[in-house]
Amino acid sequence: VQLVESGGRLVQPGGSLRLSCAASGFIFSTFEMNWVRQAPGKGLEWVSYISSSGSSTYYADSVKGRFTISRDDAKNSLYLQMTSLRGEDTAVYFCARQWEGAHDSWGPGILVTVSS
Amino acid sequence: SYVLTQPPSVSVAPGKTARITCGGNNIGGKSVHWYQQKPGQAPVLVMYYDSGRPSGIPERFSGSNSGNTATLTISRVEAGDEADYYCQVWDTTSDHYVFGTGTKVTVL
Repeated sequence: VQLVESGGRLVQPGGSLRLSCAASGFIFSTFEMNWVRQAPGKGLEWVSYISSSGSSTYYADSVKGRFTISRDDAKNSLYLQMTSLRGEDTAVYFCARQWEGAHDSWGPGILVTVSS
Repeated sequence: SYVLTQPPSVSVAPGKTARITCGGNNIGGKSVHWYQQKPGQAPVLVMYYDSGRPSGIPERFSGSNSGNTATLTISRVEAGDEADYYCQVWDTTSDHYVFGTGTKVTVL
């Protein structure tokens, strides 16, 4: 199982960014997926969930209406479209596979910095 | 929103037992998962569904959950167990995952 995030960079407040997570080593289409983030020196914060079919999505209150999770099973990829970015969105973003209700595999994470 | 409270730190001598608590309103009615995170690394799942141990996790790790407290127990603590530990639940009321505040385990 391998998950690798990409797309992180420095972005100005109010800007947009799309993160990608490339999955390999398992049948991606059969697994629910999540995004989790960690601000510098802080704890883990769940961001978003998507069902295996893509028909169900959930978001943390802190990002609802600004972030959109999606998946492309043909490309074995998970995405997080982020808009109206704020300084408090600065964090390392992890994609995580869901198994037995928990997050059993994680990518190494990608840093998103929101600053002018 | 549902809140999970963990002690900020736990210190333990090598070979002894570390107990990390996770407090939440009627958490015994939920399934609790636990993660270990070492500096600069992604979290690793060490316990699922209260007391399930994923493949590759030593038997020294065990879990329990009852009432308002879930506990991750690490027996015969080793230097390599030094890390931050987070509990997690799925809150059905809000359809959100919730992480605990995290506990830093220090091996003396």
